[in-house]
Amino acid sequence: AQSVTQLGSHVSVSEGALVLLRCNYSSSVPPYLFWYVQYPNQGLQLLLKYTTGATLVKGINGFEAEFKKSETSFHLTKPSAHMSDAAEYFCAVSEAGTASKLTFGTGTRLQVTL
Amino acid sequence: DSGVTQTPKHLITATGQRVTLRCSPRSGDLSVYWYQQSLDQGLQFLIQYYNGEERAKGNILERFSAQQFPDLHSELNLSSLELGDSALYFCASSSTSGKAGELFFGEGSRLTVL
Repeated sequence: AQSVTQLGSHVSVSEGALVLLRCNYSSSVPPYLFWYVQYPNQGLQLLLKYTTGATLVKGINGFEAEFKKSETSFHLTKPSAHMSDAAEYFCAVSEAGTASKLTFGTGTRLQVTL
Repeated sequence: DSGVTQTPKHLITATGQRVTLRCSPRSGDLSVYWYQQSLDQGLQFLIQYYNGEERAKGNILERFSAQQFPDLHSELNLSSLELGDSALYFCASSSTSGKAGELFFGEGSRLTVL
């Protein structure tokens, strides 16, 4: 069985500060890992994904994440937060080779303050 | 705009009733996924269809059923509704049968059961 744990249901940062959203996964097989963002009253949008190859993946809007197998982590970062980054962020895992049965974390709501 | 259209956006009904949620995938996408998002359960995968056939099943209740039609649109039928079925139901589509491609989510159908 696969699962993801997102540490912190709410994270608040100042505009211009580093964004760090934490995600740890559990999987008995090589995982595929994803970060999705959900803006208010909208569906989820893919930020980035890790399948194979380079462990540092870059996504849209300046976000990136690093797959660390030894730590079973896939934390999401952005060097400088912008007000428009305020949203809910979901980490998700699936078995390698399939995007079906994505298992989502409980989400982290990011607040960006002036 | 993800290209995935869901109707209705909002639906209020009573316990014991039956509703149908409709999803039109992105043009050309053969796979349709249904997810349920609720406060207590988070985002849960319900079911996937690929080109009209059921491909994967998740935590879908027996009171719920889905199908994908020849024109690739999909419907999720929820019957004998209970208060706990109140949730946001998302449809997503992808161009693959389940490989780790990107899922494109609609804006969801918010169901309220009174």
